[in-house]
Amino acid sequence: DGGITQSPKYLFRKEGQNVTLSCEQNLNHDAMYWYRQDPGQGLRLIYYSQIVNDFQKGDIAEGYSVSREKKESFPLTVTSAQKNPTAFYLCASSIKKVSIVANEQFFGPGTRLTVL
Amino acid sequence: AQTVTQSQPEMSVQEAETVTLSCTYDTSESDYYLFWYKQPPSRQMILVIRQEAYKQQNATENRFSVNFQKAAKSFSLKISDSQLGDAAMYFCAQTGTASKLTFGTGTRLQVTL
Repeated sequence: DGGITQSPKYLFRKEGQNVTLSCEQNLNHDAMYWYRQDPGQGLRLIYYSQIVNDFQKGDIAEGYSVSREKKESFPLTVTSAQKNPTAFYLCASSIKKVSIVANEQFFGPGTRLTVL
Repeated sequence: AQTVTQSQPEMSVQEAETVTLSCTYDTSESDYYLFWYKQPPSRQMILVIRQEAYKQQNATENRFSVNFQKAAKSFSLKISDSQLGDAAMYFCAQTGTASKLTFGTGTRLQVTL
């Protein structure tokens, strides 16, 4: 079955530690995205990538880093510089079409990160 | 900058009745898409319906339909014949350049018997 997987589902981290969240897709999508969701707020874009080896900052990139070495994978590292990392993190992907500015994004099941 | 506003934090509807969720947006883009996503307790984001801004006809997907008023920058979602499984958070979203999605803060929909 095609889809997006995120692991782990729950993640606990001590303050001062970096942690990496995994996102893998087998939909052959070019574009991938990371969002953060906090209670009472909508999803906010952290980083996105439209092609391998290229990515751009979203609205709240500070304290996060990403890589896009393979089309299928877009891991997110939450660094110790992120002041309030406890949140629900969602990964998404979409087909990138040059002639259309927007495409449906498909979401993974999410990772709940808790800083102890 | 794009903004999406959902002014109803919570809504309630009786089973089999109809409910409308409101959404307004602001953008300087001429070409964009609008979406409604559903997030049930599992927290999986599920696309409900989408509207292409250049299409005047309102999108419809089974019991879900939208009222798209481009001049007013309004994009409401109507759910007909509400079912218990419709209970969820509903997010309005807009995308423009680079396919980046901007989300509203969501509306929690309760469905009562």
